[in-house]
Amino acid sequence: EAGVTQSPTHLIKTRGQQATLRCSPISGHTSVYWYQQALGLGLQFLLWYDEGEERNRGNFPPRFSGRQFPNYSSELNVNALELEDSALYLCASSLAGNRNTEAFFGQGTRLTVV
Amino acid sequence: DQQVKQNSPSLSVQEGRISILNCDYTNSMFDYFLWYKKYPAEGPTFLISISSIKDKNEDGRFTVFLNKSAKHLSLHIVPSQPGDSAVYFCAASAWYNAGNMLTFGGGTRLMVKP
Repeated sequence: EAGVTQSPTHLIKTRGQQATLRCSPISGHTSVYWYQQALGLGLQFLLWYDEGEERNRGNFPPRFSGRQFPNYSSELNVNALELEDSALYLCASSLAGNRNTEAFFGQGTRLTVV
Repeated sequence: DQQVKQNSPSLSVQEGRISILNCDYTNSMFDYFLWYKKYPAEGPTFLISISSIKDKNEDGRFTVFLNKSAKHLSLHIVPSQPGDSAVYFCAASAWYNAGNMLTFGGGTRLMVKP
């Protein structure tokens, strides 16, 4: 069974540009979570999508946005990129909206803003 | 304001000995705690969890202890093996969090020497 897959693995963008990161959850999982891991920091919760709807977002500016498609895959968009957006972006999936069910992570997308 | 803290950025242990990784939290609403392990270039993988109604959970070589009064949890690995060398993240979930949103600590890099 395929795990959570993220693309691209690496992404280099210029300050001010937009970045689009993609995530395919495990088959049968309807919840997708996005986390940011900046250098030297822990994972910071970004966004949660379930059944196509944004359910919650972390303490990030509105230029971080995303969506979830009917097949439950998800996209994270970061507009007006800033240097401090350089980080590892991790996507996780779990069964629908159930607390304390295991979340499975993808390998991440390393975004570098120059 | 970090609600979950791992104060030791790194830990070095001899193979066969015990590894003890520590985690402190400040939010008394947290009622579910998890440990994740992360190898380079891979996403975090779930290791073990504990509910706040328990003070200990064991799974093979891994045991998690929870001290609610001290708002402290620890992960014990016995015996430690070189393959355990990774970054370990402590994570917590609050009772009011729908879904699987987690608050992570900054991680502890464990090095197990042969």
